[in-house]
Amino acid sequence: QKEVEQNSGPLSVPEGAIASLNCTYSDRVSQSFFWYRQYSGKSPELIMSIYSNGDKEDGRFTAQLNKASQYVSLLIRDSQPSDSATYLCAVRLGGATNKLIFGTGTLLAVQP
Amino acid sequence: DTAVSQTPKYLVTQMGNDKSIKCEQNLGHDTMYWYKQDSKKFLKIMFSYNNKELIINETVPNRFSPKSPDKAHLNLHINSLELGDSAVYFCASSQVGGRYYNEQFFGPGTRLTVL
Repeated sequence: QKEVEQNSGPLSVPEGAIASLNCTYSDRVSQSFFWYRQYSGKSPELIMSIYSNGDKEDGRFTAQLNKASQYVSLLIRDSQPSDSATYLCAVRLGGATNKLIFGTGTLLAVQP
Repeated sequence: DTAVSQTPKYLVTQMGNDKSIKCEQNLGHDTMYWYKQDSKKFLKIMFSYNNKELIINETVPNRFSPKSPDKAHLNLHINSLELGDSAVYFCASSQVGGRYYNEQFFGPGTRLTVL
């Protein structure tokens, strides 16, 4: 079982719709969870971090965390073509090191 | 006011050569990282330094040697380059602990092509 799993996509949504990106992880003691956006040929850009169960909203983005189900998601409201990118889920493993394990990413395509 | 910078941006070289990539951060962070992103876009940690001390050393060929002269700089030297080393190498930095919750910020990447 992979440590961090994401559906590779592509996930295609029409402009203005809600895009829902999902991620599951295997390390039960993980405490920190991150979503990065990566445009083609560019570096990963941190867009959301979440540490507690529940929802965290920032503008059009909402991260949701359910530690019991080992599940973290990212909702993008009012999706825009400029949101088209690969979204990487990253999980900080338990323990003393600050090691992030990345999923393979979900490619999001927002259709105008 | 670049936060995390890397040089060079592109590196094309022959098999067997030795090359270095440099990274600098001006965020005042105490921890820096090297990641490798392969052709399938999978991003994997290689090394991490906290205040010049190596704290993460993944299963990486010993041809790869990181070096951190101070907490704002992290270099990666690669000996005897092989075709399989072709990838994009990202540097990242974070502040461990405190209110920043270990958020990592990435540099622009160095695309290494070994011919």
